[in-house]
Amino acid sequence: NAGVTQTPKFQVLKTGQSMTLQCAQDMNHEYMSWYRQDPGMGLRLIHYSVGAGITDQGEVPNGYNVSRSTTEDFPLRLLSAAPSQTSVYFCASSRSGRGAYEQYFGPGTRLTVT
Amino acid sequence: AQTVTQSQPEMSVQEAETVTLSCTYDTSESDYYLFWYKQPPSRQMILVIRQEAYKQQNATENRFSVNFQKAAKSFSLKISDSQLGDAAMYFCAYRSFSGYALNFGKGTSLLVTP
Repeated sequence: NAGVTQTPKFQVLKTGQSMTLQCAQDMNHEYMSWYRQDPGMGLRLIHYSVGAGITDQGEVPNGYNVSRSTTEDFPLRLLSAAPSQTSVYFCASSRSGRGAYEQYFGPGTRLTVT
Repeated sequence: AQTVTQSQPEMSVQEAETVTLSCTYDTSESDYYLFWYKQPPSRQMILVIRQEAYKQQNATENRFSVNFQKAAKSFSLKISDSQLGDAAMYFCAYRSFSGYALNFGKGTSLLVTP
């Protein structure tokens, strides 16, 4: 089991560029999500998905797009990068249903927008 | 959205001593889940302990235990016999009974001194 994988680990973008952060999990989890972590802010939810074809917005969705065509993959797209999107991005997955299920996190992507 | 507050930005403990990290939350729900996650310098998010609100008994995982006070909406983490490897950022997180997203506090940075 690789768990949750994210690529790339580091990325530098120029303002206005677009890119896709990749996330994949091999645990057959229905729930997947993207968080961003900024200093002193904890982790904030960007978008989430409760299954293939189903996505919804979290707390800070502006400037990001997601889709979920398979159970395994949940890519995050930055449409036109801005310096305010400089952050560490985490993908997470968990079982769905009621229970204190652990969310498994990927290793994170450090993104810098200049 | 439920608010999670960690009032201690930084804490320090000596090796082998005990330390308690505090967490309070705001909710109108009666059923929910609470978690503590650890983030060492490697950036990986690691689940430390979890609690279901309907369970009165406090959760325990080896040297880690919680003091869950439902009426006071408090969920503190106690680390006994602290080790150098416990040095990390610790995040308290809330999850609704019917949802999947985690609401994180801003974190407490724990320093362990020899």
